[in-house]
Parts: sequence; structure tokens; C-alpha cells
Amino acid sequence: ETGVTQTPRHLVMGMTNKKSLKCEQHLGHNAMYWYKQSAKKPLELMFVYSLEERVENNSVPSRFSPECPNSSHLFLHLHTLQPEDSALYLCASSQDLTPPRRYFGAGTRLSVL
Amino acid sequence: GQNIDQPTEMTATEGAIVQINCTYQTSGFNGLFWYQQHAGEAPTFLSYNVLDGLEEKGRFSSFLSRSKGYSYLLLKELQMKDSASYLCAVYNQGGKLIFGQGTELSVKP
Repeated sequence: ETGVTQTPRHLVMGMTNKKSLKCEQHLGHNAMYWYKQSAKKPLELMFVYSLEERVENNSVPSRFSPECPNSSHLFLHLHTLQPEDSALYLCASSQDLTPPRRYFGAGTRLSVL
Repeated sequence: GQNIDQPTEMTATEGAIVQINCTYQTSGFNGLFWYQQHAGEAPTFLSYNVLDGLEEKGRFSSFLSRSKGYSYLLLKELQMKDSASYLCAVYNQGGKLIFGQGTELSVKP
């Protein structure tokens, strides 16, 4: 148990669907992150939030929309995804933006048909 | 550019020792992480090296040479449960955490 919980663990959606991924951290951290993990590729940072403010958006397509209503919760809203968006989406938190140690959730395995 | 290289796959025998290498070329350097990730689970923290040298934690040790842009993770007395992916990540001077592609380790009986 890492203190970071992601739901759902698995998600299958069509290209026209709208769905949301949820992340909750119980560590009292101030920073939260979304990463994309594809097979045989490095983790790709998508979004960074610090104290509920988005501080980084790494050229992510607008079909991915993050939301951070408070420092414990992070959402990733998905709409009109493409098959190449199929991947493991990992949420992470850290005490603040520094120190850099990330605490990861187990991820949501997304399949886009 | 930012580049981190580690082998894609490795196989080792239960009870043996295995060394997983990581080389990096990044914009400055502030530290290097190793994470372990079992299939379907969260990456979990193993080590963080900032200074050169070897740090030992039980069966796992991590080494860093900043001048060579090189690190390795050493796993001793391998157990079947050590079968996992091992991620190397560099914290660069710009405050970015850059990950390698991960090394899939299979431990055989």
C-alpha cells in the first residue's frame, strides 16, 4: 500500500466515450502528477499540480483534461480518445515539487477500442 | 537532450546476483532513483543516490558515478519475488524527473 489509490484499475472505452480516472492520496502531500506508461517506453509526465494549481502541461492533447479539486484528489477526464492512447496511466504524489521522490498508485490500465 | 539507457530485459537464477546498469545524459544532475514495479502494481521506491559511491540496503545496493553518468542496481540472493521491472530515473538540474524505459528482470528457479 503506497498511500495513493487509483480507480478504476481497468477501463475499456470506445473512441466516442467520455470517462474519468480518479486518484486519491492519503499522504498529506502537496503535489500530484499524471504519467502515461506504454510498453517498452519511459514514463511520460503528462500533468503536474502543486497546491491544486497546474504547474506543468507537457504538450498533452486536449482530449485529456486534468482536474485537481483539492490537494488529495486528482482526476483525468477522457474524451474522444484514440487507440494509441491505450496505456497504463499512473498517478503519483510528492511532499512538494521538491524533494523529488514520487509515491505512485497502481495505475489504471486503459484500452481504447 | 535527455537520455537514459538501461537494458530492456534480463534473466537470472534464483540465489544468484544480478547487476542492472543505467547510463544517463541529462541537463545537469541532482540525483538518481531506482524504483521496482511488479506487474499490475505501483512503482515502489528502492533508492536515491546523490553522491558517488555504493549504498546498501539489505539485499539491494545502488551505485553511482556522476563523472561517468552511470549507476547500477545490485540484487543479491535473488528470490522469485524479485521478478519485476526496475526503473532508473534522473532528477535533473531543471527539476525534472526523467525515467528510463525500465529493465524487465525474470528470476528463474
